[in-house]
Amino acid sequence: EAGVTQSPTHLIKTRGQQATLRCSPISGHTSVYWYQQALGLGLQFLLWYDEGEERNRGNFPPRFSGRQFPNYSSELNVNALELEDSALYLCASSLGEQFFGPGTRLTVL
Amino acid sequence: LAKTTQPISMDSYEGQEVNITCSHNNIATNDYITWYQQFPSQGPRFIIQGYKTKVTNEVASLFIPADRKSSTLSLPRVSLSDTAVYYCLVGDRTNAGKSTFGDGTTLTVKP
Repeated sequence: EAGVTQSPTHLIKTRGQQATLRCSPISGHTSVYWYQQALGLGLQFLLWYDEGEERNRGNFPPRFSGRQFPNYSSELNVNALELEDSALYLCASSLGEQFFGPGTRLTVL
Repeated sequence: LAKTTQPISMDSYEGQEVNITCSHNNIATNDYITWYQQFPSQGPRFIIQGYKTKVTNEVASLFIPADRKSSTLSLPRVSLSDTAVYYCLVGDRTNAGKSTFGDGTTLTVKP
């Protein structure tokens, strides 16, 4: 069974640009979670989607947004990129415990 | 939200048993305790989950006392490949927004 997949693996942007990150959950999982992990730090909860709806969001500004598609895949969009947005962005899907993808390394120059 | 506290780092030697404790004094009735392992630049990998008493699987054991205010991840006979960061997650199984990851414990296994 395929695990959670994320694309792209790496993404390089400049300040002010927009970034779009994608996640495909494990087949049968309807919940998708997004986390930000800055270098050397822990995981910070960003967003939770379930059945196409945003169910909860962490303490992040509105320029972090996303959506979940009918096939339960998800996009994370980060607008007006800032240098401090450079981080590993992790997606997890869940039916109980969370299973994580490999992450997208976003670098903002 | 339950606040979690873990040791920042631990050292061990190959073949030893390692116990990592996570404190979560204000754990809620519906909260589960989950442990993850993370290698650099990879997503966390699920290790074990429990609600109370003891849970054991093929890679680890999880001990949870009756008051559930702490939990201990036990790794039997560690090897060099177990060098990683270990995270404790406490919260609602179906709502990550009501879950709290600890800051992680960096385990270094030496030969």
